Amino acid sequence: KQEVTQIPAALSVPEGENLVLNCSFTDSAIYNLQWFRQDPGKGLTSLLLIQSSQREQTSGRLNASLDKSSGRSTLYIAASQPGDSATYLCAVFDTGRRALTFGSGTRLQVQP
Amino acid sequence: DAGVIQSPRHEVTEMGQEVTLRCKPISGHDYLFWYRQTMMRGLELLIYFNNNVPIDDSGMPEDRFSAKMPNASFSTLKIQPSEPRDSAVYFCASSLQNYNSPLHFGNGTRLTVT
Repeated sequence: KQEVTQIPAALSVPEGENLVLNCSFTDSAIYNLQWFRQDPGKGLTSLLLIQSSQREQTSGRLNASLDKSSGRSTLYIAASQPGDSATYLCAVFDTGRRALTFGSGTRLQVQP
Repeated sequence: DAGVIQSPRHEVTEMGQEVTLRCKPISGHDYLFWYRQTMMRGLELLIYFNNNVPIDDSGMPEDRFSAKMPNASFSTLKIQPSEPRDSAVYFCASSLQNYNSPLHFGNGTRLTVT
C-alpha cells in the first residue's frame, strides 16, 4: 500500500526566505506526483503536476522536483511572501490503485 | 468555469439521521472523486467514478456509505445512519483524465454528527 510522508509538519519563516518542503513515498510505481495548496476552510488547489518521466516542473516562484527511484520530491518556494501561508500537500498517483494518495501536509506560515 | 460546486457547506445532524452531500463537477470532466479529510487520517479517497460509473469504492468505510452519479453533472454521497465518527470535511473533486490532468476540488462540506 502506497504511503506518502511530508516533512516538516509545520514551518514558520520570515518573508523573503527561500524554502523547501519535502515529500517521500514508498512505492515508486507511479504515474505522476502532484503538489496542492489548501487554504483554511477551502478545497485544494493544484499547483504542479510532475509526470513520472519528468525530473521537475516550474510555475512562477515554485519549483518541484521528482526522484522516482528514491521515492522523493521537493517543493521549492523562492522569495516567500505572506500570501504563501497555507498547507501544502503532496500526492502520488500510483499505478496500482489508479488514484491519488495524499500526504498529511506541511503547514507553512510566512511572517511579514 | 464555476469550478466544482458542493452543497451544503456545513451540515450538523444528530446520530442516526440520514445525510446527503451533493456535488456538481466541472462540465466536461469525466472523472469524479469523493474524499474525506480528518485531522487524524488526513485525506482519504472514498470512491471515484468514470463517465458516471463507479470504478473503485474500496475506500468507502462501511455499508452505511453510498454514492451515486445519475448523470455527468451530479453526484451524491449518502450516509445512513450517520455516526459521530463520520464527522469530517467531505470533498468532491473532478478531472478531465484520471492520471494526466490536475484534480479540481470543491470547497468541501463540513459534517458534524452529534
